[in-house]
Amino acid sequence: DIVMTQSPLSLSVTPGQPASISCKSSQSLLHSDGKTYLYWYLQKPGQPPRLLVYELFNRFFGVPDRFSGSGSGTDFTLKISRVEAEDVGIYYCMQSMQVPRTFGQGTKVEIK
Amino acid sequence: QVQLQESGPGLVKPSQTLSLTCTVSGGSINSGAFYWTWIRQSAGKGLEWIGRIYASGTTNYNPSLKSRVTISVDTTSNLFSLKLTSVTASDTAVYYCARAPWANGWYTSYYDLWGRGTLVTVSS
Repeated sequence: DIVMTQSPLSLSVTPGQPASISCKSSQSLLHSDGKTYLYWYLQKPGQPPRLLVYELFNRFFGVPDRFSGSGSGTDFTLKISRVEAEDVGIYYCMQSMQVPRTFGQGTKVEIK
Repeated sequence: QVQLQESGPGLVKPSQTLSLTCTVSGGSINSGAFYWTWIRQSAGKGLEWIGRIYASGTTNYNPSLKSRVTISVDTTSNLFSLKLTSVTASDTAVYYCARAPWANGWYTSYYDLWGRGTLVTVSS
């Protein structure tokens, strides 16, 4: 299985300040079709995860442009340019290169 | 507006079979346009991809569960199902159903719609 490792596991951010979450995969997620099969999800308490970013850097419908995904191969980053109160929750990276799909442990983001 | 809703027993005894359904409302499961997927979440293992079904019943399963899991579609009732046999306490989790557009390709994990999840506890 591809192991996904996130850091940090928790993050406390002042509103308006940037935040960055790292995700590393044990194998490359770059496919020969040119796409990188790395996804980011946000889960709020009592809710299912919801898609934020797909295939490395594409924002899902309605996701604010303060969220951006980047990286290559095995190292990835989700950045929030200016954190807002509604951004609290647990962020997960997920790989889709192999079966089984696997998730990172999650990064809990809270507001200071 | 398409919605997914999980249903099934909240309590299952060890060694028995866990059976859940995911009802699709507001749209047809028979369109062939989606990967219908089960994902679970437990405190111990985090988010775990169980498997999916698509096209004419083609399935992909997590190898760690493959010997115990079956995912099927009932087009008449517009739902898909999960069966997990020989359960133990480690199968206690919130079970989610989700869909990803088939058009995004085999490698997609573009899960754009999820059910709210259902908690299944394995205990005697």
